[in-house]
Amino acid sequence: DIQMTQSPSSLSASVGDRVTITCRASQSISSYLNWYQQKAGKAPKLVIYAAYSLQSGAPSRFTGSGSGTDFTLTISSLQPEDFATYYCQQSYSTPLTFGGGTKVEIK
Amino acid sequence: EVQLVESGGGLVQPGRSLRLSCTASGFTFGDYAMTWVRQAPGKGLEWVGIIRSKAYGGTTDYAASVKGRFTISRDDSKSIAYLQMNSLKTEDTAVYYCTRHSSGIAASTEDYWGQGTLVTVSS
Repeated sequence: DIQMTQSPSSLSASVGDRVTITCRASQSISSYLNWYQQKAGKAPKLVIYAAYSLQSGAPSRFTGSGSGTDFTLTISSLQPEDFATYYCQQSYSTPLTFGGGTKVEIK
Repeated sequence: EVQLVESGGGLVQPGRSLRLSCTASGFTFGDYAMTWVRQAPGKGLEWVGIIRSKAYGGTTDYAASVKGRFTISRDDSKSIAYLQMNSLKTEDTAVYYCTRHSSGIAASTEDYWGQGTLVTVSS
């Protein structure tokens, strides 16, 4: 199975900050990497798919990058509605595994 | 508008069975794979399994933690996906989400999620 490791597990940031979350796969997954946002008590929502493609309706301040084993999600200017937990997921091969999550909290 | 609605969750004793349903609307259900993802209280997301569309043989894959106990099926005529859970354990306690799985060139993702249904396994 492919293991996905996210870092950090949590971070505190202020509105307007630039935030970066990283995700590492235990083997190459090409660009089969997705990012999801989950707010408390809600279902996850797709933000970025195929490593860098912005899901329809997601704000352009979200950017994904990387390929192979190392990936990054960047929020260019953090907004109040962005405080949530973010998960990466590899979709290269089953089982489709998720990272452990990164909780973005208000500083 | 794509909608996925899970149902069938509840309290069940260890060792018993439960069947979850995911009713889809707003898209051609038979054209898509469907997955189940779960989230234990206060924990992260765990992929449970997938059922592919008939065009891809309707095959299934499962996480090791549920293989042999859980079965995913689909009824394309009703636009419903099912998760049959047998021999339930306390560690199966979680919110269960169904998702629409979309695949394209160099892309594969869970692009729509239901609201989830809570399964509690306890005596």
